Order: sequence, then structure tokens, then C-alpha cells
Amino acid sequence: EVQLVESGGGLVQPGGSLRLSCAASGFTFSSYWMSWVRQAPGKGLEWVANIKQDGSEKYYVDSVKGRFTISRDNAKNSLYLQMNSLRAEDTAVYYCARLVRELDYWGQGTLVTVSS
Amino acid sequence: SYVLTQPPSVSVAPGKTARITCGGNNIGSKSVHWYQQKPGQAPVLVIYYDSDRPSGIPERFSGSNSGNTATLTISRVEAGDEADYYCQVWDSSSDHPEDVVFGGGTKLTVL
Repeated sequence: EVQLVESGGGLVQPGGSLRLSCAASGFTFSSYWMSWVRQAPGKGLEWVANIKQDGSEKYYVDSVKGRFTISRDNAKNSLYLQMNSLRAEDTAVYYCARLVRELDYWGQGTLVTVSS
Repeated sequence: SYVLTQPPSVSVAPGKTARITCGGNNIGSKSVHWYQQKPGQAPVLVIYYDSDRPSGIPERFSGSNSGNTATLTISRVEAGDEADYYCQVWDSSSDHPEDVVFGGGTKLTVL
């Protein structure tokens, strides 16, 4: 059974940093692109970042470029999102998802709140 | 960047057919995927590659895509189908072909 479990969310002050993790199991993690998708309270889904199987290609939505970094550790079956210079508008539930062309499996999400 | 347009809301009576549209420039040339999200839950893939259903998704869910509009059709709507629905494509025609694009979402209300 495919499972994706996010962790690392919490309350952080504006300008602060947070590192999200996503533990994957039930599939060959190193064979898939992975994504982070976020959802602000009461809003729709917003794609954040993608990473290729070997980490050699990474893509970001414009609003997080230069502040967020997606990475992965295939030996640990783990996906990460390092978030720096956080802003109030980054407040959202962050989901990791397995990417084919569709996002076929999603984690349960972790809430990030940016507030003073 | 590529834009997907969905109606904010659709209402349907139980047992009837709901159609949720997703508009985009020449969207018929792209593969469209659909997600269902119930309150407090993660999204679930219900249709991929325009019209394929993942295992476990009822046959009542179907999809089509042509021209400038993709459509998610839910037949014999049940109360449990009440949720937000999102369409999604990869914007392979952009400078960033690996970008994932979502529609704004449609809230399906079962009357």
C-alpha cells in the first residue's frame, strides 16, 4: 500500500524557516517524480515544487523561487521542503504527492502557519 | 502561464447527473486529471488522462476532453459525492514544461 506521511509543520514567525518531511513507503520511491502542493485556508490547490527521480531537476512556482528548496533522499525514501523567509501568505496545508502526469497518491498534509 | 477555469459551484439533486467543466486554451491537446477533495481530507484522484478511472473509483465518474473544455461527469449523484473538485494539467507548452497547473476548484452541492 502506497503511503505518504508529512511532518514538520507548525507555527513560525514571518521571516523564519521550517523544513517539511515526507516519508514514503509501499512503492519504489526512487522511480518517481515527487511534488509538494499547498492549500491556503479556504482556498484551492496550488502546486509548489517538483523534483525528478534522482534530484537532478527541480521546478518551483514563481512565488517560492529563491526561498523554498525541494530535495529528496532516496536511501531514506524521504522528500523534503526547506522553507526560508516565510511570509504570511505561505500559511497553508502542505501535501506531498507522487507525480506521474497526475498526482496519484497524496499524503494527509501538514499545516504551516506563518504568524507573529 | 496556462490558466484553467472552473465554475465555483455546481448544484445537483440526488440521482441526477453533475457536469463540472474545466476550460483552457486548446485543453483538448493536453491530458486532464481530476481530483475530489472532501472537507478536512487530502485530494483523491478520480479521473486521469481525461477519462481513465483509478481502481476503487465508481463507474459513475467519467471524463471527457475536447477543444477548449474538459468535463468531469458524475452520474447518479449521491450525497457522498458532495466535495470540491479540481482539474489539473501539466503545462507542457510553457517555458516550464514540468509545472503542474490546477483549476480553481468547483464545489459540488448535492441538494
